[in-house]
Amino acid sequence: QVQLQESGPGLVKPSETLSLTCTVSGGSISSYYWSWIRQPPGKGLEWIGYIYSSGSTNYNPSLKSRVTISIDTSKNQFSLKLNSVTAADTAVYYCARDLTAVTGGTSYYYMDVWGKGTTVTVSS
Amino acid sequence: DIQMTQSPSSLSASVGDRVTITCRASQSISRYLNWYQQKPGKAPKLLIYAASSLHSGVPSRFSGSGSGTDFTLTISSLQPEDSAIYYCQQSYGIPGNSFGQGTKLEIK
Repeated sequence: QVQLQESGPGLVKPSETLSLTCTVSGGSISSYYWSWIRQPPGKGLEWIGYIYSSGSTNYNPSLKSRVTISIDTSKNQFSLKLNSVTAADTAVYYCARDLTAVTGGTSYYYMDVWGKGTTVTVSS
Repeated sequence: DIQMTQSPSSLSASVGDRVTITCRASQSISRYLNWYQQKPGKAPKLLIYAASSLHSGVPSRFSGSGSGTDFTLTISSLQPEDSAIYYCQQSYGIPGNSFGQGTKLEIK
């Protein structure tokens, strides 16, 4: 079955760029949407954005000016870049697959497979 | 942006109890509503999608209902392993997805 694995530095300095990669195994990255979600310590989930395998993206408006999500179908990977980070960006970062179910002619999206998450701390 | 509000923020119930968690959207989202369960130190797991469809492998004691702005997640007979935080998430997509703040469920 499909598995996702986040990777990247666990420590990033303030004002620098956070870069994470999600590797998809056990299935193809093509023809799906792929999301990034984060969770600050002791807090709830925050959706960051998603990318379709074609490269089209949609971002959380509150992060849009700092976020870039990209995809490399040849490597079965997609990536997150968040620039100008501060301590408020300290969180567990998850990647997830967005699946579509068609019911009554309507397409519904949901995140059915998640990575285990990776902790990123922003500190000097 | 669409805001999602869950209630209660926390609750405590006994094994065998029927438990209901509510999620309200700030505008109509039709049935674009998903529920997730998260246990400490773990990634969230999908329970319900499209408001009422049970994800594969999820026990039948979990059910979802609602449409428009008001939704509920019900656990018909609470089990010890159901202790977790539950999140609703809208996938209506204007301008993107968003989660509720979570409901922490404890077993008495």
